[in-house]
Parts: sequence; structure tokens; C-alpha cells
Amino acid sequence: AQSVTQPDIHITVSEGASLELRCNYSYGATPYLFWYVQSPGQGLQLLLKYFSGDTLVQGIKGFEAEFKRSQSSFNLRKPSVHWSDAAEYFCAVSTGGGNKLTFGTGTQLKVEL
Amino acid sequence: KAGVTQTPRYLIKTRGQQVTLSCSPISGHRSVSWYQQTPGQGLQFLFEYFSETQRNKGNFPGRFSGRQFSNSRSEMNVSTLELGDSALYLCASSLVAGLNEKLFFGSGTQLSVL
Repeated sequence: AQSVTQPDIHITVSEGASLELRCNYSYGATPYLFWYVQSPGQGLQLLLKYFSGDTLVQGIKGFEAEFKRSQSSFNLRKPSVHWSDAAEYFCAVSTGGGNKLTFGTGTQLKVEL
Repeated sequence: KAGVTQTPRYLIKTRGQQVTLSCSPISGHRSVSWYQQTPGQGLQFLFEYFSETQRNKGNFPGRFSGRQFSNSRSEMNVSTLELGDSALYLCASSLVAGLNEKLFFGSGTQLSVL
């Protein structure tokens, strides 16, 4: 069965610093990979997705992610973090057909001013 | 265009009761999925509906059920509530049901079971 691991439960960065959130997946074939963000009291918003082609994917709000098949990873990056980026970030994989997503446990991002 | 609307926003029930949650997808979206979010288990897929048919089902007991109407609105029902059913229930919609579809999530219904 497919699975997603987000090794970092909490991450704290200073505003203006760079950010990298880690995501590892387990799946035999090429997965469909997503990053979602959830602000307190809100639903999830899609940041970016990967399903084929260029392994570097650009998303909204200045985020990007790189798919590395050899490492089974899909890490999320941002060159300069803003205070408004404080939220919980979820990596997810779609393999079961339709819109069935398997989510990681999430990484809570705190931004220090 | 209005987003995904979930009602009610908050709900308090007692053990043994049943509850019905409602989800109105974005206009034109035909696929609706439901997820349960808890601090312990994280986000877990419940089920997905497309054109009034259940396409996928997660690993939840039969107490959890759902349906979709001809206007794509969806409801989920939980019978014989247990304390462990306390969670944020999220609904997501998409145009169609596919592996690469962008899901639009509602703000959820926070269910507390006492």
C-alpha cells in the first residue's frame, strides 16, 4: 500500500529565511504527488502537484517542489518565507484512482519575526 | 464563484446518536470526497462520490455512510456515534474524479461527541 512520510512534525524558521519541508513516499509506480496547506480553522488549499514531466514543479505563493524518484522524495521549498506562511503543510499521494488521497501526518510551520 | 460549503460548522452530539453532515460543492463540480481529520490519525479518506455513485471507500466501519444527490450536493451520515468519531470532517470537490484532479476543500464540520 502507498504511504507518505513527513519526518518533521514542527519546523521554525525566521522570516526571510529559506524553507524546505521533506516528504517521502512509498509506491511502486510513478505516483501523483501533491502539497496542500492548511491555515487554522480552514480547509486545505493546493499549493502544487506533480504527475509527470519536469521534476521541478512551481506552485502558488512562491512555493516549488522537486520530485526525485531515486530518493522517493517530493520536498517543498520556498526561497524566502513570509510570516503569512505559518500553517500546516501536508504532502499527499494519489494512487487509488479517483480523488482518493493518502496524506502525510503534516508539518507545522512556525515563522519567527 | 462560491467555494465548497459545509454545514453545520460545529456540532455537538452524545454517544449513540447519529449525525448528518452536508456539503455543497463548487458549481459545476461533480465529484465530492470526504475526509476525517483527527490529531491522532491525521487526514483519512472516507469516501468519494461522482455522479451519485460511490467510486471509492476508505477503511471505515459501516457506521459511516454517504450519498450524493443529482445536484452534486453530498451528505455523510455517522450512526451510533462513538467518542472516537470526534473530528474535523472535510469535504472536497473537483470537476471530475481523476488521479490528477485539483481538490477544493471546504472549511469542515467540527464534530464533538460527548
